[in-house]
Amino acid sequence: ETGVTQSPTHLIKTRGQQVTLRCSSQSGHNTVSWYQQALGQGPQFIFQYYREEENGRGNFPPRFSGLQFPNYSSELNVNALELDDSALYLCASSFGGRRGEQYFGPGTRLTVT
Amino acid sequence: RKEVEQDPGPFNVPEGATVAFNCTYSNSASQSFFWYRQDCRKEPKLLMSVYSSGNEDGRFTAQLNRASQYISLLIRDSKLSDSATYLCVALDTGRRALTFGSGTRLQVQP
Repeated sequence: ETGVTQSPTHLIKTRGQQVTLRCSSQSGHNTVSWYQQALGQGPQFIFQYYREEENGRGNFPPRFSGLQFPNYSSELNVNALELDDSALYLCASSFGGRRGEQYFGPGTRLTVT
Repeated sequence: RKEVEQDPGPFNVPEGATVAFNCTYSNSASQSFFWYRQDCRKEPKLLMSVYSSGNEDGRFTAQLNRASQYISLLIRDSKLSDSATYLCVALDTGRRALTFGSGTRLQVQP
């Protein structure tokens, strides 16, 4: 196992609600990246946090936001949920912000109804 | 056009077969490349990095052709346990973004 944990495992929300997903990075890693994976697709980069600051962002609207804490754990917040937000949300930790060797957590499966 | 494109498969091969996957990328700013493996309903796991000189890890060989913007993965002597989806990945260090292809599904049959 990678040592990256995510909570919750599954979540069901209603359109328009807000959700917070959590991730604990692997020991020794200072960077957390978040990805959205729709069924049958590869993961899509949402954003990356390095030393508590966002230092890279994909093509996601501002209602997707995040935080990184001093212990390098992280949160992904999504406001005004839409049906298309239903997906597997993965976080990945690494040491340094420019590394392709990232270690993924098991993901949170979000269903928006 | 997707930044990283892969044949979705599925590739159905018998045990012991050799199978090759290809991938093309369109972002010339991509600087590093990887293959990740994803089992059904699990998280992606790093399989190997890809270097211009080519690299091998046991039964797996990866190649990068920067001129053609093409990446390959060769699996020799396929095992049942190799059945998974293989994701081709490009890293744009400027954007700090890993860009994943949609994956190629491999099914190794007894």
